Amino acid sequence: KQEVTQIPAALSVPEGENLVLNCSFTDSAIYNLQWFRQDPGKGLTSLLLIQSSQREQTSGRLNASLDKSSGRSTLYIAASQPGDSATYLCAVRPGDSNYQLIWGAGTKLIIKP
Amino acid sequence: ETGVTQSPTHLIKTRGQQVTLRCSSQSGHNTVSWYQQALGQGPQFIFQYYREEENGRGNFPPRFSGLQFPNYSSELNVNALELDDSALYLCASSSPGGSYNEQFFGPGTRLTVL
Repeated sequence: KQEVTQIPAALSVPEGENLVLNCSFTDSAIYNLQWFRQDPGKGLTSLLLIQSSQREQTSGRLNASLDKSSGRSTLYIAASQPGDSATYLCAVRPGDSNYQLIWGAGTKLIIKP
Repeated sequence: ETGVTQSPTHLIKTRGQQVTLRCSSQSGHNTVSWYQQALGQGPQFIFQYYREEENGRGNFPPRFSGLQFPNYSSELNVNALELDDSALYLCASSSPGGSYNEQFFGPGTRLTVL
């Protein structure tokens, strides 16, 4: 059974710092992995999607990497800003499923001005 | 291009009642997935609809049911509400085979069961 873990559960850093969020999964047989952002009480905004054949994806100040063999993905945020404060969730699509996503519980990020 | 929309935004019900939540998929998407997100947790997959048929289901009891209409909009129905059903209900749309099967989410419906 696929399980997704995100550590730490919460992170607080000063504005301007570069930071890394971690996501690990137990079964390397995945179709893809997606990173999302969720603001308090709101829905989910897709940030980056990495296919199983890819190693990384970049969008602006965000870079996501994927190491399937070790069951790990990281989300790198450069030059953090207070507006980056949110909960970041990762989700994997199992290789044997064409419909569901398996989610981590998220990392709550606070960027201090 | 219109994104995924959900209604209502918030809802308060009492235990034992029934509720219907609605979702309009993004233009061009024919697949809708529903998720339940309890406070402080990641979303849990409820079920998915593709071309008006249930295409997969998570570990939720039969009192959670759904529909998809010819325009690909969808409803989630929950009967005999329990206190633990209080959560944010998220709808996501996607187009199989298109754009790497990326799912796009609506803003959610916050359900409170008293």
